[in-house]
Amino acid sequence: QAQLVQSGAEVREPGASVKISCKASGYPFTDYFMHWVRQAPGQGLEWLAIINLGGTFTNYAQNLHGRVTLTRDTSTSTLYMELSRLTSEDAAVYYCARGHKNYYYSMEVWGQGTTVTVSS
Amino acid sequence: QSVLTQPPSVSAAPGQKVTISCSGSNSNIGNNYVSWYQQFPGTAPRLLIYDNHKRPSGIPDRFTGSKSGTSATLDITGIQTGDEADYYCETWGGSQSAGGVFGGGTRLTVL
Repeated sequence: QAQLVQSGAEVREPGASVKISCKASGYPFTDYFMHWVRQAPGQGLEWLAIINLGGTFTNYAQNLHGRVTLTRDTSTSTLYMELSRLTSEDAAVYYCARGHKNYYYSMEVWGQGTTVTVSS
Repeated sequence: QSVLTQPPSVSAAPGQKVTISCSGSNSNIGNNYVSWYQQFPGTAPRLLIYDNHKRPSGIPDRFTGSKSGTSATLDITGIQTGDEADYYCETWGGSQSAGGVFGGGTRLTVL
């Protein structure tokens, strides 16, 4: 059964960076697209980024202004998202999600979420 | 302000039917398939509908999706108290550089 397990909650000061991990299991890691989505407190879902785990395609939300970097470790089936130059507006729960096999921007498997707090 | 427009809230009594709309444009819904997600407080979203109308395994047929032009709709029939949640529509922004786009979400209240 496909499963995504994310790293634990993080607290960062404004201007710092945070790196969140998402470990996949139960399916062939490189066969699927993966997304990152966030949800600020009391707000809706916001799409952040997508990566083809074969390593040929990535795309990022334009409003992140180049602050996000996706990397992957195929040996451990782990995806990483690093967000730099944090501000209070980046405080949110961050989710990784696996795209559907044939409809890649439908997110059919989700991680449990990682809470990022930005505070001085 | 979300790219896709959903009503902030809908309500229905148990057993009734509710419809949640999602309005977009030619650059997103008009040229891409739509997905719908259900989210309970404090939990990750769950995929309800993909490719406009298809249900993943385990999703009851009380949940029905459709798309027409630049709008999509999620119908929930036989409303149950356990359906009280937030519902989000989602699609692609229209080009590879645009990315995914979500609606603002609709809170379903079961009366």
